[in-house]
Amino acid sequence: GQQVMQIPQYQHVQEGEDFTTYCNSSTTLSNIQWYKQRPGGHPVFLIQLVKSGEVKKQKRLTFQFGEAKKNSSLHITATQTTDVGTYFCAGRNFGNEKLTFGTGTRLTIIP
Amino acid sequence: DAGVTQSPTHLIKTRGQQVTLRCSPISGHKSVSWYQQVLGQGPQFIFQYYEKEERGRGNFPDRFSARQFPNYSSELNVNALLLGDSALYLCASSLVGNYGYTFGSGTRLTVV
Repeated sequence: GQQVMQIPQYQHVQEGEDFTTYCNSSTTLSNIQWYKQRPGGHPVFLIQLVKSGEVKKQKRLTFQFGEAKKNSSLHITATQTTDVGTYFCAGRNFGNEKLTFGTGTRLTIIP
Repeated sequence: DAGVTQSPTHLIKTRGQQVTLRCSPISGHKSVSWYQQVLGQGPQFIFQYYEKEERGRGNFPDRFSARQFPNYSSELNVNALLLGDSALYLCASSLVGNYGYTFGSGTRLTVV
């Protein structure tokens, strides 16, 4: 079955440093979504990428979808304490509405 | 508009018992999905329903079942509970197609 892996599993950064998480799928995806889950909370939708090579930005967050549509990345510039949480990618295969979540990257910020 | 609402928020059950979890989607959302999230892991897909029909099923045993009602609300049932069923159960609603999911706050199930 489809597997979606993320690295790193954990990331501790000083406030103000940059952060990147990488997502890799075992199958080609029709689209990929990113979610953020705060400690004790539920996943919150951030963005969806559909096109090969697509890049989208939301303020300090930059999302990329790989050319082969099997990988993606999320980059946060100049992290803030509000960025704390676990970031999940979630991929959808062609012809299948099932959304498969990745293993997640937990980000902690050192003030 | 209200978000996705789930009930109950917390639940403690004994091994072998049965449990029913409920979910009301955002108004206008006809698709509901259920996920199980064990502490420290990503959400695992259980079911997806659209227009009262099952559109997808994850790798969960037959003890897990679900249904969707005409008002698009949904129930997840788990029979013969095991200790390993202890988890956060998340319901998500969405528009049909390539749209993001809106998750509820979840039901924290503890099986003792």
